[in-house]
Amino acid sequence: GESVGLHLPTLSVQEGDNSIINCAYSNSASDYFIWYKQESGKGPQFIIDIRSNMDKRQGQRVTVLLNKTVKHLSLQIAATQPGDSAVYFCAEITTGANSKLTFGKGITLSVRP
Amino acid sequence: KAGVTQTPRYLIKTRGQQVTLSCSPISGHRSVSWYQQTPGQGLQFLFEYFSETQRNKGNFPGRFSGRQFSNSRSEMNVSTLELGDSALYLCASSLVLAEVGQYFGPGTRLTVT
Repeated sequence: GESVGLHLPTLSVQEGDNSIINCAYSNSASDYFIWYKQESGKGPQFIIDIRSNMDKRQGQRVTVLLNKTVKHLSLQIAATQPGDSAVYFCAEITTGANSKLTFGKGITLSVRP
Repeated sequence: KAGVTQTPRYLIKTRGQQVTLSCSPISGHRSVSWYQQTPGQGLQFLFEYFSETQRNKGNFPGRFSGRQFSNSRSEMNVSTLELGDSALYLCASSLVLAEVGQYFGPGTRLTVT
C-alpha cells in the first residue's frame, strides 16, 4: 500500500543555519506532495505544496524539492529561526473520487539559539 | 476570519463509553475531514464529509462514525471506547472536496481510561 515516511525522527540546527528535512514516499500516483508544520498544542499548518509534475517550488524562506526518480521529497528552510521549532510532516494526496491525505510520521525540528 | 474550531479541547472517558466531538469549519468551507493522531501511528485519515455526505473513509472500525450538518459543522462519534482510542482528534476544513490546502483545528485530546 502507499506510505509516506520520514528518514529521521529529530533534527537539531543552529539558529540562522539552513534546515533540510527529508521524506520518502512510495505512491508514484500521488498528485501533490505537501509539507505541514505542527507546533505544540496546535493542529498542523500548511506550509507549501508541490504538484507531482514539478521538481521545485519556492515559498517564503522555504523550498520544496521533489525527486520522482528516487521518490524523495525535501523541505529546505532558509535562515532557521526559533519559531521554526516544530514537528514537520510530509503528506501526499491523490486527487479524485477517493482522495485523502496520507501523512508521514513526523520529524521534530529543534532550533538551538 | 475565524479558524477551525473544535470542542471540547480535552476529554476523559472510560472504556466502553461513547463520545461525540464537534468541529466548526472556516466560514464558507464545505468540506470537513477528520484525522486521528497518535505517537505510534501518526496522523491517520478517518473520513471526509462534503455537503452532508461522507465522501471518503479511512481504515477504521465501524465504531468511528461522523456526520455533517447543513451549515457544514461536523461531528464524529466513537462508540464503545477502547484504551487505544486515546489520541488527538483533528478536524480540517477546505473549500471543496479533497483540496490540497486544508486548514486544521487545534484538535480534541481524548483520553480513555
